[in-house]
Amino acid sequence: QKEVEQNSGPLSVPEGAIASLNCTYSDRGSQSFFWYRQYSGKSPELIMFIYSNGDKEDGRFTAQLNKASQYVSLLIRDSQPSDSATYLCAATEDSSASKIIFGSGTRLSIRP
Amino acid sequence: GAGVSQSPSNKVTEKGKDVELRCDPISGHTALYWYRQRLGQGLEFLIYFQGNSAPDKSGLPSDRFSAERTGESVSTLTIQRTQQEDSAVYLCASSLEGYTEAFFGQGTRLTVV
Repeated sequence: QKEVEQNSGPLSVPEGAIASLNCTYSDRGSQSFFWYRQYSGKSPELIMFIYSNGDKEDGRFTAQLNKASQYVSLLIRDSQPSDSATYLCAATEDSSASKIIFGSGTRLSIRP
Repeated sequence: GAGVSQSPSNKVTEKGKDVELRCDPISGHTALYWYRQRLGQGLEFLIYFQGNSAPDKSGLPSDRFSAERTGESVSTLTIQRTQQEDSAVYLCASSLEGYTEAFFGQGTRLTVV
């Protein structure tokens, strides 16, 4: 069973600090990785995707991928109360179907 | 439309009735997913369609659940003889290919009374 694992949290971070969210995946052949944000009562929305080892930055968000360690992370700089949400990590299967597999999510709370 | 569209937004049904949920994916997206999300829980994979391949039904929880998709267009998720534990938000997502990012619809909130 291919899996994506995340700490469920809650992770509490003070406003203005860096929030660090982590994820591991079991399928060594996974090629594409995604971070989604889900506010309470809303659908998940894509915030970052990464395909290559290393860092990818977009505004206050940085995704980091280490395929050797099968590890993906999301850093949120200058955390704001509006960043409080559940963050879902996802990876594609290494198969002809390449289905996206989601982790169960980490709940992030930014305290003022 | 610009996004994934699901209908109805809300559905209240009596225990034992059948329900049908609809998903209109983004035009041109070959991959389509159905998920179930119970209150306060994570996404529970139900079924995956990718082009003309046989669907991955490995997440369907029982034979009361079924889904169809016509080509690369609309999908319907049918739940027969609904039970109270079927109450959840049912989310549909589509992607251009299997390995690209998926976009979610707004969900159908199903309540079984």
